Amino acid sequence: AQRVTQPEKLLSVFKGAPVELKCNYSYSGSPELFWYVQYSRQRLQLLLRHISRESIKGFTADLNKGETSFHLKKPFAQEEDSAMYYCALRGWRGNEKLTFGTGTRLTIIP
Amino acid sequence: GAGVSQSPRYKVAKRGQDVALRCDPISGHVSLFWYQQALGQGPEFLTYFQNEAQLDKSGLPSDRFFAERPEGSVSTLKIQRTQQEDSAVYLCASSLAGTGSNEKLFFGSGTQLSVL
Repeated sequence: AQRVTQPEKLLSVFKGAPVELKCNYSYSGSPELFWYVQYSRQRLQLLLRHISRESIKGFTADLNKGETSFHLKKPFAQEEDSAMYYCALRGWRGNEKLTFGTGTRLTIIP
Repeated sequence: GAGVSQSPRYKVAKRGQDVALRCDPISGHVSLFWYQQALGQGPEFLTYFQNEAQLDKSGLPSDRFFAERPEGSVSTLKIQRTQQEDSAVYLCASSLAGTGSNEKLFFGSGTQLSVL
């Protein structure tokens, strides 16, 4: 079975401070990990995925297989980062569905 | 089109009523997914289509839930004899490619179903 855990439902950070949104997963094989974001009154959209090793809007996430984690980080928070963030996992092959965590609501305090 | 389109945006149903939710994926997208998102939860997988073939329906919670995509484009999620626990946002998502790909998903705005 695959499972994604986001331990923080709410996270408030001051503007300019570092941000870390935690994600841990459970999966027996090699997973594909994603972060999705939903801004206020917008639809859910992909933020980044681990295989791309990209930085989007200043966010990065490193897959740590030893700790089964995929934490999302940004060194300096901006007000426009306020949103709902979901970590998601997909099995590597043959299993197309995404398993989502329960989400973390990030609020950036001006 | 502009993106994945879902209708209606809101649906209120009396308990026991049947409902049908529609999804128009992005033109040419092979894969189509339905997710259910209860209040305060993340989206939960319901079912997956590749073109017109329903390849995975393991997430459908009961036999009251039925999904189809007869021509490999528009999809309909039907819920029979709705119950209060069916109240949720139903999300549709599509992607360009099929099995084994890592194409990103494009989500619709969802249909918020309230069962009274």
